[in-house]
Amino acid sequence: DSGVTQTPKHLITATGQRVTLRCSPRSGDLSVYWYQQSLDQGLQFLIQYYNGEERAKGNILERFSAQQFPDLHSELNLSSLELGDSALYFCASSFRDTNYGYTFGSGTRLTVV
Amino acid sequence: QKEVEQDPGPLSVPEGAIVSLNCTYSNSAFQYFMWYRQYSRKGPELLMYTYSSGNKEDGRFTAQVDKSSKYISLFIRDSQPSDSATYLCAMSAVGANSKLTFGKGITLSVRP
Repeated sequence: DSGVTQTPKHLITATGQRVTLRCSPRSGDLSVYWYQQSLDQGLQFLIQYYNGEERAKGNILERFSAQQFPDLHSELNLSSLELGDSALYFCASSFRDTNYGYTFGSGTRLTVV
Repeated sequence: QKEVEQDPGPLSVPEGAIVSLNCTYSNSAFQYFMWYRQYSRKGPELLMYTYSSGNKEDGRFTAQVDKSSKYISLFIRDSQPSDSATYLCAMSAVGANSKLTFGKGITLSVRP
């Protein structure tokens, strides 16, 4: 167990729907990172939060949004889902802004049908 | 051209073999170089980390960085079936907001 908890583990939903993925970082970690992993694109950085504030944005679609709450857990909201959004979504955490040493959760597998 | 290119694999070797995994990159700003290991249905876990050029050894694993060639390698000696996993290289530039850029990963299978 890495200490980073992601729920749910699996999610199956229909096109056009909206889902929320949840991440609880490792105890003491202030930074949360969201990544999308698909077979053709590999691991793609979506967004980073540090102590409640957005720090960096990657290839995140406008249909996707995220936030980090005062208790440091984070949620990734995916709306108007398309078939191509089917992927593994990983959350990672670190103590502070860092260039290395993220700890990843086990991911949420999203299937859009 | 992608910022980070990784041999696509898959790679299958017999137990005890020396494995060489490689990545090339195009962004000369990258200073931090990492290898992650990902088992099936798990998240990536940090295996090796190197700052700038040079070698780093940890048990059966050796990471090498050649910044002049923009080339990094991971060597696994005396490979074991438990090493069977997907290996991803990752890199980042200096800076607090610098994200990790990953290679697509290579799946290694070590045959008993």
